[in-house]
Amino acid sequence: EVQLVESGGGLVKPGSSLKLSCVASGFTFSSYGMHWIRQAPKKGLEWIALIYYDSSNKYYADSVKGRFTISRDNSKNTLYLEMNSLRSEDTAMYYCVRGAGFAYWGQGTLVTVSS
Amino acid sequence: DVVMTQTPPSLSVAIGQSVSISCKSSQSLVASDKNTYLNWLLQSPGRSPKRLIYQVSKLDSGVPDRFSGSGSEKDFTLKISRVEAEDLGVYYCLQGTHLPQTFGGGTKLELK
Repeated sequence: EVQLVESGGGLVKPGSSLKLSCVASGFTFSSYGMHWIRQAPKKGLEWIALIYYDSSNKYYADSVKGRFTISRDNSKNTLYLEMNSLRSEDTAMYYCVRGAGFAYWGQGTLVTVSS
Repeated sequence: DVVMTQTPPSLSVAIGQSVSISCKSSQSLVASDKNTYLNWLLQSPGRSPKRLIYQVSKLDSGVPDRFSGSGSEKDFTLKISRVEAEDLGVYYCLQGTHLPQTFGGGTKLELK
């Protein structure tokens, strides 16, 4: 069974940093690209980052480019999102999602940016 | 970026009724491999989104055949025949053809 388990969210102040993790199981992690997608409270879904299966390519939404970094460790079956210079508008549930098909989603980890 | 315009933003339905949701893209979603990467997702209350349909009309495993997807190029439709209580929530279209991937604004399906 495919499982994606995010962690690392929490309450932080504007301007601070946070690193999210997503541990994958039930499939060959190193064979799939992975996404981070977020959802602000009571809002729709926003794609924010993609990393290829071998980390050869990374793409970001304009809203996070230069502040967020996606990475992965295939030996640990883990996806990361390093978030710097956090803003109130980054407050959201953050989901990791497998592959181009978007078939599998984690349960999400909540990031709240507030003073 | 490709803009996905989803309508209506909300629908109030009775159990057993049929409904349709429209999703229009600002660019053709036909990829260079000739596939069209248009997905439909359902987010039930308090849950993560779940993919229902991929490549316009292919149902995910376990998805009832009351759901169907159709369309081409820039114009897509999700139809739900005989709505059941478990179908309630927010539906999103998602294009995976162009980077960045983009979502429609969502359609909230509620009980009348």
